[in-house]
Amino acid sequence: SQKIEQNSEALNIQEGKTATLTCNYTNYSPAYLQWYRQDPGRGPVFLLLIRENEKEKRKERLKVTFDTTLKQSLFHITASQPADSATYLCALVSDYKLSFGAGTTVTVRA
Amino acid sequence: EAGVAQSPRYKIIEKRQSVAFWCNPISGHATLYWYQQILGQGPKLLIQFQNNGVVDDSQLPKDRFSAERLKGVDSTLKIQPAKLEDSAVYLCASSLGTSGRATDTQYFGPGTRLTVL
Repeated sequence: SQKIEQNSEALNIQEGKTATLTCNYTNYSPAYLQWYRQDPGRGPVFLLLIRENEKEKRKERLKVTFDTTLKQSLFHITASQPADSATYLCALVSDYKLSFGAGTTVTVRA
Repeated sequence: EAGVAQSPRYKIIEKRQSVAFWCNPISGHATLYWYQQILGQGPKLLIQFQNNGVVDDSQLPKDRFSAERLKGVDSTLKIQPAKLEDSAVYLCASSLGTSGRATDTQYFGPGTRLTVL
């Protein structure tokens, strides 16, 4: 069956450190992978899209990697700030449909 | 630019009752999506409209859920009758593209939190 698995444990990090989130998938052949941020009581907000032929994508303090051999994406938040505290969702684009993982909650301590 | 609007924000009903949710997408967005997000899970696509036609409703429980998008703008999602397991946040999203491709950036509304007792 198809699965998208993200870090099951919440991530607690000190301000200024790098947060690294993992997204693993099975039985998908995604052409694209997206990362979203979701704050409590709000809908997800799009952050980044990476294509299957791209190894890495950056946007300000965010970096995403996509390894189709390992079937894995890594999402990094560098120089983290308390304002980065949220749940981060990965989503695969396959068959023109978006399928989401359960998300990883990140808390950045001041 | 106004975002995706949804109402109501919260709804509590008894099982077997009916409920309806409303969504107004971003002006000019051709594609509209309804997602169900159960606590602790990621959003799951229920139905996708392109203008006023259905593109994908493969995961919509059609025995109790229905949705429409009249005139290709606003949309309503209805549950009749509700079950306990329908307790979730119902998210509406829209995207600009007319191709219906999921690579188009989706903009989400705040969601409606439904509690079924």
